Amino acid sequence: DADVTQTPRNRITKTGKRIMLECSQTKGHDRMYWYRQDPGLGLRLIYYSFDVKDINKGEISDGYSVSRQAQAKFSLSLESAIPNQTALYFCATSESWGQGRIETQYFGPGTRLLVL
Amino acid sequence: RKEVEQDPGPFNVPEGATVAFNCTYSNSASQSFFWYRQDCRKEPKLLMSVYSSGNEDGRFTAQLNRASQYISLLIRDSKLSDSATYLCVVMLQLGGSQGNLIFGKGTKLSVKP
Repeated sequence: DADVTQTPRNRITKTGKRIMLECSQTKGHDRMYWYRQDPGLGLRLIYYSFDVKDINKGEISDGYSVSRQAQAKFSLSLESAIPNQTALYFCATSESWGQGRIETQYFGPGTRLLVL
Repeated sequence: RKEVEQDPGPFNVPEGATVAFNCTYSNSASQSFFWYRQDCRKEPKLLMSVYSSGNEDGRFTAQLNRASQYISLLIRDSKLSDSATYLCVVMLQLGGSQGNLIFGKGTKLSVKP
């Protein structure tokens, strides 16, 4: 079984709809992240969470919200989807190392979202 | 200046060739450096970390030049399976103990028979 899973894998929705993307991990990591990837723009950080009580905005948080329901679960919501939120969304996890060093991030398989 | 810059490519090389990618970063406070590999329509996966002394993993060699703020990845004896996009990744140290990864846009490699 995959260590980081995302649901749904693909989603088509309409402008103005609320949508939630879910991420679960079995790696036991404290840190979780949501990114979006657009052609020609690379990966951009939306939100990140270093533990259940810690939520932080990333580079492009406008239009998004998150919830860290448990150590293993981190969901991303689009309250009112718009077409320019069409993208590939990745969840990732990492283990917190001593002295604040972060090593490998492990990514989920991605969710392809199309907003019409 | 973008935080992490890479030549997008594509680099089209024959099997067996040696190919090198460079990446520059703008923030001198960057602490850690990585190369990730991303196959088409798949998630990124760590290829290797990059250390100041340089490091090698089989056919892959990574180098870091802090003075010039650039990172390189050398692939020797290219295989068809090396075809992918290679992401240069830099970690900034924010505050006392928290850091985030900054991803380059990636360099696309296509290895041909």
